[in-house]
Amino acid sequence: SQTIHQWPATLVQPVGSPLSLECTVEGTSNPNLYWYRQAAGRGLQLLFYSVGIGQISSEVPQNLSASRPQDRQFILSSKKLLLSDSGFYLCAWSVLPTFSGGVIYEQYFGPGTRLTVT
Amino acid sequence: AQTVTQSQPEMSVQEAETVTLSCTYDTSENNYYLFWYKQPPSRQMILVIRQEAYKQQNATENRFSVNFQKAAKSFSLKISDSQLGDTAMYFCAFMKPTPKAAGNKLTFGGGTRVLVKP
Repeated sequence: SQTIHQWPATLVQPVGSPLSLECTVEGTSNPNLYWYRQAAGRGLQLLFYSVGIGQISSEVPQNLSASRPQDRQFILSSKKLLLSDSGFYLCAWSVLPTFSGGVIYEQYFGPGTRLTVT
Repeated sequence: AQTVTQSQPEMSVQEAETVTLSCTYDTSENNYYLFWYKQPPSRQMILVIRQEAYKQQNATENRFSVNFQKAAKSFSLKISDSQLGDTAMYFCAFMKPTPKAAGNKLTFGGGTRVLVKP
């Protein structure tokens, strides 16, 4: 079965410091991968998605960047964090269509990383 | 662009009773998918139920069922026999199927907080 991992689970960083959040997926190949941010008590905002190695699409202009160096690895980065970067970051994956001929459209989420910028 | 609206920011229900969450969406598409996700206090996003727009039959997953009204663009979630573990944020989400390269992005509503009381 497929699993998705994120680390770290919690991170406290000072303003101006760099950031690297990692997401890895097991048990699937060539997934679509997504990074979301969730502010406290709010909905999810899509930041980036990737349909393959080295292919990154940005949804909103911001201080963050994403990379996909391997098929099942997705990294969220920043060179200098801002206070407004604080939030809960979720990685998700989806695969479609399946080799059996079915289609899976839903996204499955990792456990998330809580980032506090001080 | 599609929008998803959840008009109830918070709802409470007694254990073993039924609660219905509303969701409306705006789209000009004819083929699409709708989802309900649950986010408990752990903040892990969990897929609860999916509905394909081309299916007239409402989806059901154990105690969770939906009332899909395509013409009204309404997609409500009913939780029957509520349990304490149902306490969570619930998000409605919309997706228009696209080729893999276009990302198959989800659009989320703002969420409804459900509190199940003993």
